[in-house]
Amino acid sequence: DVVMTQSPLSLPVTLGQPASITCRSSQSLVHSDGNTYLNWFQQRPGQSPRRLIYKVSNRDSGVPDRFSGSGSGTDFTLKINGVEAEDVGVYYCMQGTHWPYTFGQGTKLEIK
Amino acid sequence: EVQLVESGGVVVQPGGSLRLSCAASGFTFDGYNMHWVRQAPGKGLDWVSVITWDGGNTSYADSVRGRFTISRDSSHKSLYLQMNSLRTEDTALYYCAVESQGGLGYWGQGTLVTVSS
Repeated sequence: DVVMTQSPLSLPVTLGQPASITCRSSQSLVHSDGNTYLNWFQQRPGQSPRRLIYKVSNRDSGVPDRFSGSGSGTDFTLKINGVEAEDVGVYYCMQGTHWPYTFGQGTKLEIK
Repeated sequence: EVQLVESGGVVVQPGGSLRLSCAASGFTFDGYNMHWVRQAPGKGLDWVSVITWDGGNTSYADSVRGRFTISRDSSHKSLYLQMNSLRTEDTALYYCAVESQGGLGYWGQGTLVTVSS
């Protein structure tokens, strides 16, 4: 199975400051169809996960443009440009290239 | 609007069985692969199983293979998870999710399964 490793696992951020989470996979996430199926999810306290980013860098509908994704192959990054109070929660990366799908351990974002 | 509503979660003894359901609406159910994902209390997300759009293929996490069975019913637009030989480590909130764009685009609110004597 593909192992997804996130860092950091805890991320204290001052309001308005940028934040960055990295995700590394144990093998390439480039699918045979040429796409790279790397997703980012946000889970606010007490809520279901919500997808923010699909195929590395595409924002889902309704996701603020302060969220951006980048990367290729095995190394990926989620950036938040100016953290807001509503961004508190746990962020997960997930690969959808290889079955079984696998998640990172999660990164807990909190406000300093 | 896509809606996924899970049900069937209860308290069950170790070794027992349970069937979870997920009622889908707001999209063409027959056109999408469907997944179950679970989250133990205070822990991260753990992928459980997938069934293809036509029911022709399934896959399971090693931890549940041979004990859990995923299925779907197009006429009822529903997804199911039959859970047998339950263990305490199966205690979790179980989510159903729709696959889109190579990931899990929509999630339900989850149903809680507690395995305890």
